[in-house]
Amino acid sequence: EIVLTQSPGTLSLSPGERATLSCRASLSVSSSYLAWYQQKPGQAPRLLIYGASSRATGIPDRFSGGGSGTDFTLTISRLEPEDFAVYYCQQYGSSPQTFGQGTKVEIK
Amino acid sequence: EVQLLESGGTLVQPGGSLRLSCAASGFTFSNYAMTWVRQAPGKGLEWVSVISSSGSSTYYAGSVRGRFAISRDNFENTLHLQMNNLRADDTAVYYCAKGLLGDCSGGACYFDYWGQGTLVTVSS
Repeated sequence: EIVLTQSPGTLSLSPGERATLSCRASLSVSSSYLAWYQQKPGQAPRLLIYGASSRATGIPDRFSGGGSGTDFTLTISRLEPEDFAVYYCQQYGSSPQTFGQGTKVEIK
Repeated sequence: EVQLLESGGTLVQPGGSLRLSCAASGFTFSNYAMTWVRQAPGKGLEWVSVISSSGSSTYYAGSVRGRFAISRDNFENTLHLQMNNLRADDTAVYYCAKGLLGDCSGGACYFDYWGQGTLVTVSS
């Protein structure tokens, strides 16, 4: 089973700043099958990125994903107030698919 | 508009059984793999089970294999999760989510739409 480790655990930033979230896999993720989700309190997760770098339908272009192999990043170019949330990465390149433990982006 | 509405969550005693349902609309349900993902209170996401579009292939996380059974009714556009021999660590919000066309290779895929979840509490 591939273990995903997200860092940092919490990111304290101000609106307008750039956020860079990391997701590191214990083994190489096949075909860059890596997704990112956003979850706000009391809400369901929302798909942001799949295939490491493809934005899901309706996702603003301030969200971008990158990386390959074992190291992946989610970048939010300029934080909007609605972007403060918890972010999870998920690998679906090998079974069982697994999620990271999450990174909380909070207002500084 | 894709909509997924879970139901069936409640308080159940350890060792008990429960059946969750997820009513789908806004897409051709029979064409897509579907999944259940759970989230324990204050914790992260944990994949539980996936079923292929036809229902012929099912996959389970090791923590629930042999106790949970996923199924679907493509005429009623409904996904189910039968949960038996429930334990305290099964306590979580259970989300259904929409997967890929057809099947998820080895049961692994990403999920583009999620329901709001239903809470299952296992406690005496």
